[in-house]
Amino acid sequence: GEDVEQSLFLSVREGDSSVINCTYTDSSSTYLYWYKQEPGAGLQLLTYIFSNMDMKQDQRLTVLLNKKDKHLSLRIADTQTGDSAIYFCAVPTYNQGGKLIFGQGTELSVKP
Amino acid sequence: ETGVTQTPRHLVMGMTNKKSLKCEQHLGHNAMYWYKQSAKKPLELMFVYSLEERVENNSVPSRFSPECPNSSHLFLHLHTLQPEDSALYLCASSQDEQGDTEAFFGQGTRLTVV
Repeated sequence: GEDVEQSLFLSVREGDSSVINCTYTDSSSTYLYWYKQEPGAGLQLLTYIFSNMDMKQDQRLTVLLNKKDKHLSLRIADTQTGDSAIYFCAVPTYNQGGKLIFGQGTELSVKP
Repeated sequence: ETGVTQTPRHLVMGMTNKKSLKCEQHLGHNAMYWYKQSAKKPLELMFVYSLEERVENNSVPSRFSPECPNSSHLFLHLHTLQPEDSALYLCASSQDEQGDTEAFFGQGTRLTVV
């Protein structure tokens, strides 16, 4: 089945850039997503990229997609303490009816 | 506020208890989901309902029993749970069960089995 992998932790200083990486084994050709989970809350869609794009920029967020290497990344510029959360990548699959498969989440810790 | 509401937010239950988790959405979505979130593990998709029909059951033990009485409500009935079932249970909904529509999540029910 589909496998989506992320590193578990990332720690950065306030003002630095954060890069959260995700690799996947398969994907249907639609959207790939980044969700954010703040403490005590459910997941909320943060941004997404359509699979025919290499890059998408949305204010402080940049999503990069390398389809050849099956690698998705999320870059947060000028990281703030309010960005501390768990970030999940989610990938639809070919062989499970397009359902979303989530990675285990990367916990981003931003230090002042 | 995502439009998906889960109750209760926290639940502590003994292994012999029976309890139910409730999820409600008024977004007009046709698909609803139960996920289990355990520490350091990927989100586990438990059940998928589309137009009130169960379309997926990912080898979930029978001590978890879902119910979808209408397109706005989803329940997860719990009985004779084990301590390893302690986790955050998340409900989500989307327009349909395909992966090209955004999923909206509730805040989750933090379940502790003692």
